[in-house]
Amino acid sequence: EAQVTQNPRYLITVTGKKLTVTCSQNMNHEYMSWYRQDPGLGLRQIYYSMNVEVTDKGDVPEGYKVSRKEKRNFPLILESPSPNQTSLYFCASSFGGRGQETQYFGPGTRLLVL
Amino acid sequence: AQKITQTQPGMFVQEKEAVTLDCTYDTSDPSYGLFWYKQPSSGEMIFLIYQGSYDQQNATEGRYSLNFQKARKSANLVISASQLGDSAMYFCAMRERTGGSYIPTFGRGTSLIVHP
Repeated sequence: EAQVTQNPRYLITVTGKKLTVTCSQNMNHEYMSWYRQDPGLGLRQIYYSMNVEVTDKGDVPEGYKVSRKEKRNFPLILESPSPNQTSLYFCASSFGGRGQETQYFGPGTRLLVL
Repeated sequence: AQKITQTQPGMFVQEKEAVTLDCTYDTSDPSYGLFWYKQPSSGEMIFLIYQGSYDQQNATEGRYSLNFQKARKSANLVISASQLGDSAMYFCAMRERTGGSYIPTFGRGTSLIVHP
């Protein structure tokens, strides 16, 4: 089954404790991205990757890191989480990064930073 | 200025009736894509329908259709014969070329409630 998977689905952590949210897709997609969703703000892009070893900042990259060592995986790293990073996070992928490419989303990760 | 505007924070519709969710966009890129996603209360984002800027005909996917009016820069989602399971948040999104990449932008969403 073609899908985007994220782990964990739910996470409660404390300020400053490094965490990683994994994302994996099995569709051989080149483009992957991370979003955060906050009430009333819709989805905002954090980082994206056009291909292996190619990453770039989205609209709200502060406090986040990513890596793309393999085509299928695109982990999101919070080196020192803060309460304002409490949010719903989505990973998404598409075949390419062009305008007509449909993105497919993972199930989301709900993060609470205390 | 917002690139994607969804003016209806919430909509109510009776089961089996049609409903239109509004979306206007702003871009100077001639080659862009417009998308609608559904987010039920369980939280996942479900792709519904896509319209390319060069497509001559309005996109349709089952009960979903996209009323694409390019000159007005609007891409309204029409759901025919609403069902209770259509109750969800709906997001309009656009992908346009910004610099060397295609950056997606999402609207703030419309909450749709279908009542019996």
